[in-house]
Amino acid sequence: EAGVAQSPRYKIIEKRQSVAFWCNPISGHATLYWYQQILGQGPKLLIQFQNNGVVDDSQLPKDRFSAERLKGVDSTLKIQPAKLEDSAVYLCASSSLVGGTDTQYFGPGTRLTVL
Amino acid sequence: AQSVTQLGSHVSVSEGALVLLRCNYSSSVPPYLFWYVQYPNQGLQLLLKYTTGATLVKGINGFEAEFKKSETSFHLTKPSAHMSDAAEYFCAVTLYSSASKIIFGSGTRLSIRP
Repeated sequence: EAGVAQSPRYKIIEKRQSVAFWCNPISGHATLYWYQQILGQGPKLLIQFQNNGVVDDSQLPKDRFSAERLKGVDSTLKIQPAKLEDSAVYLCASSSLVGGTDTQYFGPGTRLTVL
Repeated sequence: AQSVTQLGSHVSVSEGALVLLRCNYSSSVPPYLFWYVQYPNQGLQLLLKYTTGATLVKGINGFEAEFKKSETSFHLTKPSAHMSDAAEYFCAVTLYSSASKIIFGSGTRLSIRP
């Protein structure tokens, strides 16, 4: 079975520019997660979708970050405008069951560098 | 609210030696606990998880962890380290609910000396 796909793998932008990341979860997985992993830290959940509805976005900086999961499959995470502190790896994960106890399968991540 | 503390940001062991990575959690109710491994430039891969039942959990690649409620710990061990075990390891905790989220520790980088 194909894993979680993410693109691009690397992105370098200047501050105040916009950027978007794409995630394609494992087929049939209802729950999709976006995490931010800053160098030297563990992943931090930004947003969790169940199908195309948002379950938790309490740690998403909504003034600059947005995410959508149209049709309950692919998802896009956008940052507009980017700040230096947004430099991190953005991980997408998916799981097949409702809730956080099911195994989450992670994509390879997108490494964002903001100059 | 739940939280996770990983003791030691970097652990170095010799090949063939015991691996011990420490994790302590804080939770007001019985937690679900996980260990993930992250190789360079890759996403996280689940090593093992504890939900209910047997407190000694066996995972992939010869790793195991024991849930000790009295010590609020979930340490990861492997009897004999291999060079391929060099990676970043994350302990994580969640509570079972439909809106629960996983809280990750800050990670421990494991190095293996030849």
